[in-house]
Amino acid sequence: EDQVTQSPEALRLQEGESSSLNCSYTVSGLRGLFWYRQDPGKGPEFLFTLYSAGEEKEKERLKATLTKKESFLHITAPKPEDSATYLCAVGMDSNYQLIWGAGTKLIIKP
Amino acid sequence: NAGVTQTPKFRILKIGQSMTLQCAQDMNHNYMYWYRQDPGMGLKLIYYSVGAGITDKGEVPNGYNVSRSTTEDFPLRLELAAPSQTSVYFCASTSSGGPTDTQYFGPGTRLTVL
Repeated sequence: EDQVTQSPEALRLQEGESSSLNCSYTVSGLRGLFWYRQDPGKGPEFLFTLYSAGEEKEKERLKATLTKKESFLHITAPKPEDSATYLCAVGMDSNYQLIWGAGTKLIIKP
Repeated sequence: NAGVTQTPKFRILKIGQSMTLQCAQDMNHNYMYWYRQDPGMGLKLIYYSVGAGITDKGEVPNGYNVSRSTTEDFPLRLELAAPSQTSVYFCASTSSGGPTDTQYFGPGTRLTVL
């Protein structure tokens, strides 16, 4: 069964404390892995797409990496404004639908 | 560009009532989607459309209906609302609908059925 699992469910960090969020997937024919940010009361906002194992993308304090089984979203020296829920989704060869993870709620304390 | 817009932002329905959630996009995207988001769960696809006049079911279509008469608009109809339809609903759009195409989301409609 195609599945996307995100961990941890929630993560509390102090400002400046770096960490990583995990998105593991078991799908057939990965075509793309997406990271989105979702603020409370708003729709998901696109961050990155990764296409193949070994690929990395960066944006400000965020860096996304991809292996054949999982993706990591590394956050370096986070600030309170990085607090949000981070969603992962996978696009596959066999299915037009994206498979979504449940998200990781990130809280950065000042 | 306004992107993807949704109305209303909040709504409370009584069991058995009906309503239409509105969605519009001004990016000339062919593909549009309706998702629901429940606490602790990933986004679930309700219906999608590949262009005006063409719609199809997603993973959780029961209790919902859609239509797509124009490229811009993709309303979602709830008939005979049930408490299980309490959720946050998101509309999204994308240009080509492929597995690597970025989806752009609206702000959501929070629906409570009592």
